[in-house]
Amino acid sequence: QKEVEQNSGPLSVPEGAIASLNCTYSDRVSQSFFWYRQYSGKSPELIMSIYSNGDKEDGRFTAQLNKASQYVSLLIRDSQPSDSATYLCAVNMGGGADGLTFGKGTHLIIQP
Amino acid sequence: DTGVSQDPRHKITKRGQNVTFRCDPISEHNRLYWYRQTLGQGPEFLTYFQNEAQLEKSRLLSDRFSAERPKGSFSTLEIQRTEQGDSAMYLCASSHQETQYFGPGTRLLVL
Repeated sequence: QKEVEQNSGPLSVPEGAIASLNCTYSDRVSQSFFWYRQYSGKSPELIMSIYSNGDKEDGRFTAQLNKASQYVSLLIRDSQPSDSATYLCAVNMGGGADGLTFGKGTHLIIQP
Repeated sequence: DTGVSQDPRHKITKRGQNVTFRCDPISEHNRLYWYRQTLGQGPEFLTYFQNEAQLEKSRLLSDRFSAERPKGSFSTLEIQRTEQGDSAMYLCASSHQETQYFGPGTRLLVL
């Protein structure tokens, strides 16, 4: 069964520090990887997409992908209280399938 | 640029009733997806349309569930003979290529 695994947390990080969120996936042929942020009671909001090995930076966010290790991560620099949310890792498992497979999400708490 | 919209935002129904949800994608997006999310879980893929063609259906989509996208624009998701286990947030997403953008969701409660 194709799976995406995340530590559910909660992950508690002091304001201004770096938050590191991790995700592993089971399907080696996966090609597309996404991070979504979800506030309680709201729908997922796209943070980052990444398709190639290495790092991709967008403002305070950096996504890292290592296909050999089947691992993708999200770093949030200078964490703010407004970053407190659940972060969902999503993978397009490929093989012609276009629906995303999501992890359960990591609950991040930024402590003021 | 208007985002994905969904209607209704909330629905309370009694077990055994039928419900229908609507999704309007971002106007230039030809791909439309339905997901279901329960508390503490990530969204689970249900089905996918490219234009009006339904190209993929999850095993989660039982015979009581049906989705349509008749003109390749808006889509409807119908649940027949609702069960308490159908209580969830139903999310619609649309995309032009790889990246999917989600609507606000329809929260269903089956009593």
